[in-house]
Order: sequence, then structure tokens, then C-alpha cells
Amino acid sequence: DVVMTQSPLSLPVTLGQPASISCRSSQSLVHSDGSTYLNWFQQRPGQSPRRLIYRVSNRDSGVPDRFSGSGSGTDFTLKISRVEAEDVGVYYCMQVTHWPPVTFGGGTKVEIK
Amino acid sequence: QVQLVQSGSELKKPGASVKVSCKASGYTFTSLVINWVRQAPGQGLEWMGWINTNTGNPTYAQGFTGRFVFSLDTSVSTAYLQISSLKAEDTAVYYCAREYGLDYWGQGTLVTVSS
Repeated sequence: DVVMTQSPLSLPVTLGQPASISCRSSQSLVHSDGSTYLNWFQQRPGQSPRRLIYRVSNRDSGVPDRFSGSGSGTDFTLKISRVEAEDVGVYYCMQVTHWPPVTFGGGTKVEIK
Repeated sequence: QVQLVQSGSELKKPGASVKVSCKASGYTFTSLVINWVRQAPGQGLEWMGWINTNTGNPTYAQGFTGRFVFSLDTSVSTAYLQISSLKAEDTAVYYCAREYGLDYWGQGTLVTVSS
């Protein structure tokens, strides 16, 4: 199974400042079709997860442009350019290149300092 | 608009069974798989598997075979998760989510197993 490792576990951020979350996979996430199936999700307190980014860098509809995804191979990053209060929650990366199983990272908790 | 609406919370005794539903609307139900994801209290997300809504063929992750069954009723655009012989460690929120990329999620169903 592909192991997804996120860091840091916890990320205290000052409002208006940037934040960056790392996600590393135990093997390359490049599919034989050439695509990389790495997604990012946000889970606000008490809510269902919401997909923010698909295939490394594509923002889902309605996702603010302060969220961006980048990376390749085994190393990926989610960046928030200027953190707002509504961004508090846990962020997960997920791979669906090598299935089954689909695997998630352990999560990164973003909180306001 | 796409919606996945799940059934309400359940409180069950150990050894009992539970069936969670996930009703889809806003798209052609049989065109995209439905995933099931478990989140134990205070824990992360764990993929349980998916069901092909066109063929009815399920794929289960390791650890979710035997007591866990995915099923469909395409006439009402609904997917089901049934868990039998419930144990305390099955206490969790169970989510359904659409398609391989998990683009839309249900609101979650809390299943509590307690004597």
C-alpha cells in the first residue's frame, strides 16, 4: 500500500500569514496514464471533508484562490497564501493512483496563533 | 446541484447490525462510483472501499471484508453500507463520497456501538 506522510502534524498560523503543508508518498504517484492522482481535502470542525485540490494543482469549484497545490512524483505541497479564520481545520492529502486501497495522509491541523 | 444525503445517527448494541444509506441527487447515479470512508473519534480518514454503481461490483479495503457489505438500489439512487456483528471499535462517523476523486461527500452518519 502507498503510505502518505504529512507534516507538520499541527500548524499554528497568524491570520493573514502564509501556511504550507507537506505530503510525501512512499512511491511515485504518477499513473501509467501520465496523470498524478493526488488530492487535498479540508475538514473544518464538525463538518464533512471537502475537496480543495485534485490532481495535484487543480482547484475545485468555489475554492478560494489563496489555496494552491503543487508537487510531483512523491513530494507535494498545499499552500494557503494568507490564512483566514475560516481556514481552521484539518487538511488531508489522498492518493488514488495506486488502488486499492486509496490512502490518506494522517492530517495536518491548522489553527490560529 | 450534487448532493449526497446520509441516514441519521445510530446507537447499536454489540453484535447487532446497522445499515447506513447514502442518497444521491443532481447527477446520473450509475455513472460514478460511491466510496465509503470511516472516521473513528478524533482520528483521520480511512478508506473502506467503493462500489461501482453501474455494475454493483464492490471493492473492499483490507480490514473491511466479511462484516462490511456495500450495496445499491439504483431505482432510488441510493448506496448502502451494512455492518454486521458490530463491535465497540466500529464506533465512528461513516461517510459516503462520490467518484474516484471523492469530489462530493455526504454529511456523515455517526454509528455508536455500546452496551
